[in-house]
Amino acid sequence: EVQLLESGGDLVQPGGSLRLSCAASEFTFSNSALAWVRQAPGKGLEWVSSVFPSGAKTFYTDSVRGRFTISRDNSKNTVFLQMNNLRPEDTAVYFCAKYGGLTRPHYLESWGQGTLVTVSS
Amino acid sequence: DIQMTQSPSSLSASVGDKVTLTCRASHSISNFLNWYQQKPGKAPTLLIYGASTLQSGVPPRFSGSGSGTDFTLTISSLQAEDFATFYCQQTYSNPWTFGQGTKVEI
Repeated sequence: EVQLLESGGDLVQPGGSLRLSCAASEFTFSNSALAWVRQAPGKGLEWVSSVFPSGAKTFYTDSVRGRFTISRDNSKNTVFLQMNNLRPEDTAVYFCAKYGGLTRPHYLESWGQGTLVTVSS
Repeated sequence: DIQMTQSPSSLSASVGDKVTLTCRASHSISNFLNWYQQKPGKAPTLLIYGASTLQSGVPPRFSGSGSGTDFTLTISSLQAEDFATFYCQQTYSNPWTFGQGTKVEI
């Protein structure tokens, strides 16, 4: 069974930085695309970013482009989300999720349990 | 960005009921539409992908249909464990977008 374990969530002040990690197991990580999806308290789901197997192909939603960076270490089966210049509206549970495959239509077939990021002074 | 609109926002139903949830895209998305279920305090789980393909392990009482801009998720006979919030998602173009969710309550 696919395992995705997020970590790194914390309380941080506006303008601060945080790095989230997602440790993966029980699948061929180096052949898989992954995504970060967030959910603000009491709100719906918002896709944040995706990274394809080599790490060279990345995508971001407009509200985080230039502030967040997704990356991966295929030797450690881990994907990261570096979050800089954090804003209160970035407060959310951040989920790591695995693509169902590399061809379209894409979907997120497995999800981690999430890690909470709170941006507040 | 493609806007996804789900209806209704919430509904009340009973065990055994047939339930139909609707999702509408602001632009045609072919069949690039997925459905997820989320229970309180838990991560979402994939139910349907490609508008109508049932994810492995999902009970066959769940079914999806539609293409273009209009999609439906049907639960043929609602079970106690199905009470949750359901989200549609388009992956036709970046940024991927989700609907606002439909909460199915007892």
